[in-house]
Amino acid sequence: DAKTTQPPSMDCAEGRAANLPCNHSTISGNEYVYWYRQIHSQGPQYIIHGLKNNETNEMASLIITEDRKSSTLILPHATLRDTAVYYCIVRGAGGSQGNLIFGKGTKLSVKP
Amino acid sequence: NAGVTQTPKFRILKIGQSMTLQCAQDMNHNYMYWYRQDPGMGLKLIYYSVGAGITDKGEVPNGYNVSRSTTEDFPLRLELAAPSQTSVYFCASTDSQGIQYFGAGTRLSVL
Repeated sequence: DAKTTQPPSMDCAEGRAANLPCNHSTISGNEYVYWYRQIHSQGPQYIIHGLKNNETNEMASLIITEDRKSSTLILPHATLRDTAVYYCIVRGAGGSQGNLIFGKGTKLSVKP
Repeated sequence: NAGVTQTPKFRILKIGQSMTLQCAQDMNHNYMYWYRQDPGMGLKLIYYSVGAGITDKGEVPNGYNVSRSTTEDFPLRLELAAPSQTSVYFCASTDSQGIQYFGAGTRLSVL
C-alpha cells in the first residue's frame, strides 16, 4: 500500500469548511483513497473513498488531483462534533485487500 | 442492522487471568479483523480472518488466539493476561468495496 503524508494537526472555526490535505505520491493505478476518522475513544468511522473522480456523500467531499498524487477531504460546514483524528489511507478496493494501515492522521480541532 | 458488536465494553483483569473478547457482525462480511490501540498510538493488527475456518496472524499476535467457526463471530482470546495487553481492542469487518466497519471497542486494563 502506498504511503500517505498528512499534517499532524489543524484548526477550523465552527461553521466553516474544513479542508484536510493528504499526499500520496506513490499511489498506484488501482489504489483508492479512503478517509476515516476517529472521534476520541471511539472506533474509526468510514467517511468516503474514491479512485480518480471527485466524490461527495452526506458527510464530506473528496477532491483528488488529476495526477492522483494528493487529495483533499472537505467537511463543508464543520461542527464541534467533527473534532477528531482524520486518517487518509491508500489501498486497493475490495475486501481482499487486507487490513487498513493507519498512520498518525490529522487531528482536527473545530473551535466555536 | 447492528453492524459490528463488541462485548464487553470494559474489563479489568488481573495478571495471569484469561478472557475472551466477543465480536459479531450481521453484514455477512467474510473479512474480519482484530486491532489494538494503545494510548496516543495508531491501530495495530492482531489477527484477521478471510472467512469461516480461516485465520491468520497480523502484526502483533503474541499472547492472543482467535477462532472463526461462523461468518458472524470472531472472538479474540487472551491467555495469561499481562500488563502489556492493557489497550483498547477494536474488531472490524470489510465489505466488497473495501470499506471497514468498526465496533465500539473493548477497553481492557490488566493490573
